[in-house]
Amino acid sequence: DQQVKQNSPSLSVQEGRISILNCDYTNSMFDYFLWYKKYPAEGPTFLISISSIKDKNEDGRFTVFLNKSAKHLSLHIVPSQPGDSAVYFCAAYAPSGTYKYIFGTGTRLKVLA
Amino acid sequence: DAGVIQSPRHEVTEMGQEVTLRCKPISGHDYLFWYRQTMMRGLELLIYFNNNVPIDDSGMPEDRFSAKMPNASFSTLKIQPSEPRDSAVYFCASKWSRGNTQYFGPGTRLTVL
Repeated sequence: DQQVKQNSPSLSVQEGRISILNCDYTNSMFDYFLWYKKYPAEGPTFLISISSIKDKNEDGRFTVFLNKSAKHLSLHIVPSQPGDSAVYFCAAYAPSGTYKYIFGTGTRLKVLA
Repeated sequence: DAGVIQSPRHEVTEMGQEVTLRCKPISGHDYLFWYRQTMMRGLELLIYFNNNVPIDDSGMPEDRFSAKMPNASFSTLKIQPSEPRDSAVYFCASKWSRGNTQYFGPGTRLTVL
């Protein structure tokens, strides 16, 4: 039972354009969401997060949007750079319950120069 | 400041052998998590500790897997006996109780022949 889904295993985008990575969840108890970036042979590193009381959070070129009614979040990267090429994982958890992150299966982003 | 440290980085062993993976969390962090990454299931939480006490081990796949945290700066994940289907990358992560972000180590790539 996959509570957090990333339905696109891969995405290719031209340098300078927008990258949009999507994530869907099923558990309405989730109230905190995070995106992690992972390069080969390294551990995932935190990128950006959003609480369920917000619908948008920005950090430089990265913006996360949350649509609670649709149980959907997305990560926008503008403009995309070759160094953004990595696997992106979304994660969700309910701080009021446990501290268990539930991760999606990841989306491999390739930014073409 | 050192991040999460894992050893070994790579482990190749034969089926039936015991394998021990090691983790040193970030100093001051009171939560420690063990994950397994596979292509099919992405990042799965195996077990997590709070103040050295196991809180949730529902992700541990079988009795062949065990984890300990004898003190705040060290944890082990043991597989005995190992099987080829245990081949994966195993990550350790830690976090501070007042934060939402988990910090991951570089992972241990385990290959069981």
